[in-house]
Amino acid sequence: IQMTQSPSTLSASVGDRVTITCRASRTIGSRLAWYQLRPGKAPKLLIYKASYLESGVPSRFSGSGSGTEYTLTITGLQPDDFATYSCQQYHSHWTFGQGTKVEVK
Amino acid sequence: EVQVVESGGGLVQPGGSLRLSCAASGFTLSDYAMNWVRQAPGKGPEWVSGISGSGDATYYADSVRGRFTISRDKSRDTVSLELNSVRAEDTAIYYCAKDRGAYPSYFDYWGQGTQVIVSS
Repeated sequence: IQMTQSPSTLSASVGDRVTITCRASRTIGSRLAWYQLRPGKAPKLLIYKASYLESGVPSRFSGSGSGTEYTLTITGLQPDDFATYSCQQYHSHWTFGQGTKVEVK
Repeated sequence: EVQVVESGGGLVQPGGSLRLSCAASGFTLSDYAMNWVRQAPGKGPEWVSGISGSGDATYYADSVRGRFTISRDKSRDTVSLELNSVRAEDTAIYYCAKDRGAYPSYFDYWGQGTQVIVSS
């Protein structure tokens, strides 16, 4: 299963609402996770089962979607949120999207 | 507190071998699958290999099957990844990641990674 994220780069400001999309090459039954990746740091699980917020993750992060289309939304972007985000499907084996870099506008 | 710490990365020549280790603490290793995920420069993450909690099942990406071997040492609470016949395209940061379940699914705790560079 191929995972395609868009956009590849997103320019935003603190306080913005940003949305990242992940499209699967075939249906994955909501078996989708989102991660935050930062250079030199351990990747962090944000969302699992498409819309379930991982414990300890701020509520400004949310996930939605079904079938082949999924989104990660950050409502009220904070300075700590400028990072790269990647989706991962676990419906059939395990594949990641290529990542979306959220950068300062 | 759950901790996952990788070690063993370094510079290796094409065709050479390297062994990566992952030390886990703060949870019962046999209850959870463990995985290796890598990220090459400028690319998205790539799942590489996984092993079930009991160790009875192992899984590999097509890109490494037959060259890499995952194993676990229950007495030492460690998981290892043996890299053989390495290629330039194996150059990446390798992360060890704890799974949410007993078989690979999604990954709730990751280490900070260990760098592998394949170059002559």
